[in-house]
Amino acid sequence: EPEVTQTPSHQVTQMGQEVILRCVPISNHLYFYWYRQILGQKVEFLVSFYNNEISEKSEIFDDQFSVERPDGSNFTLKIRSTKLEDSAMYFCASSNSDRVTGELFFGEGSRLTVL
Amino acid sequence: QQPVQSPQAVILREGEDAVINCSSSKALYSVHWYRQKHGEAPVFLMILLKGGEQKGHEKISASFNEKKQQSSLYLTASQLSYSGTYFCGTAISGGYNKLIFGAGTRLAVHP
Repeated sequence: EPEVTQTPSHQVTQMGQEVILRCVPISNHLYFYWYRQILGQKVEFLVSFYNNEISEKSEIFDDQFSVERPDGSNFTLKIRSTKLEDSAMYFCASSNSDRVTGELFFGEGSRLTVL
Repeated sequence: QQPVQSPQAVILREGEDAVINCSSSKALYSVHWYRQKHGEAPVFLMILLKGGEQKGHEKISASFNEKKQQSSLYLTASQLSYSGTYFCGTAISGGYNKLIFGAGTRLAVHP
């Protein structure tokens, strides 16, 4: 069964460092998402992406965050200068339906720890 | 814009039923339900669309009241495997690709 894969599964970084989280969505999906979940809390929307453009973004998704689809298969989230409060699990999701009228398929997540 | 879920937590014995509610102050286009087990990714349960269409797993039951912007997830004859945190996600009418999740309802099913 096709699945969304994310790397790395866990990354530890120093505050102020840049981090890139990678995702390989399901191959025929066109809509991509990043969410984050601080330990024990809710799943927070960061950004959605379609046709090489950001569709929607949240207030959390400020200038330190960026997304891109560099090669037609990977979908990346870059955090330019990490802060302690960026420590969280980051989930990538993909869908083949616009306007979230279909299932979001989530990856297993990338745990980011900022020291 | 975040939907409100209730209750925050439920404890059940195997075989008991539960209802989890989700409400929004905005007009909704769709409501999603996901279950997340500890340390794992959210897993899709059901989607309910404006206009009445539903897609999801056969054993899951849910409703969507479009006038009240409310949805309920019905868990009947609960099993141990139902334990986890249930999140509703809502997409507002006029929005595009943005699904916002509620704070979650923790469900524990005991033997």
